[in-house]
Amino acid sequence: GQQLNQSPQSMFIQEGEDVSMNCTSSSIFNTWLWYKQDPGEGPVLLIALYKAGELTSNGRLTAQFGITRKDSFLNISASIPSDVGIYFCAGHRGSTLGRLYFGRGTQLTVWP
Amino acid sequence: EPEVTQTPSHQVTQMGQEVILRCVPISNHLYFYWYRQILGQKVEFLVSFYNNEISEKSEIFDDQFSVERPDGSNFTLKIRSTKLEDSAMYFCASEGENSYEQYFGPGTRLTVT
Repeated sequence: GQQLNQSPQSMFIQEGEDVSMNCTSSSIFNTWLWYKQDPGEGPVLLIALYKAGELTSNGRLTAQFGITRKDSFLNISASIPSDVGIYFCAGHRGSTLGRLYFGRGTQLTVWP
Repeated sequence: EPEVTQTPSHQVTQMGQEVILRCVPISNHLYFYWYRQILGQKVEFLVSFYNNEISEKSEIFDDQFSVERPDGSNFTLKIRSTKLEDSAMYFCASEGENSYEQYFGPGTRLTVT
């Protein structure tokens, strides 16, 4: 099956620090999405990227769609305790009813 | 803000029993999905559904699984004869027209004993 490699697997940072995580794939995706999951909850959509090279922000979150269409990056600036959770990247082929292929997630812990 | 809802939040069942997991997608969405997540692992696609038909299913979605949209609002996943390895979180997702943004429900935790 399609493999998405997400790194780092986990991060432990201090409140106020910036965070960066990325996702790479062996094949091309036409859409990249980033989700956050809190314990026992469903993934919540943070950002969707539709175009290679696109840089999109949502508050303190910024995500980029890699030029090769095989990677994507998520940055969180000035982290706060409620940023704690698991962040997943997901790739989409860009066709109607297309499945999402998920990465294994980055577990973020923020120390006050 | 509209959201996907799922019931029950937790289902415990014995091996071999049938379970039905229920979802109410966002009301104007047209495309529906089921995913599952085994504890500590990534989210995996099960099936996509549109216009009362399965569009695509993964290798996980074998003959024990079925989906149905019995009325205009509900979308269900049935597992006919549960196995221990079916224990997982099951997420329903829905997607609007002209968008690849899938919105997930809170999930049903299925525990098979």
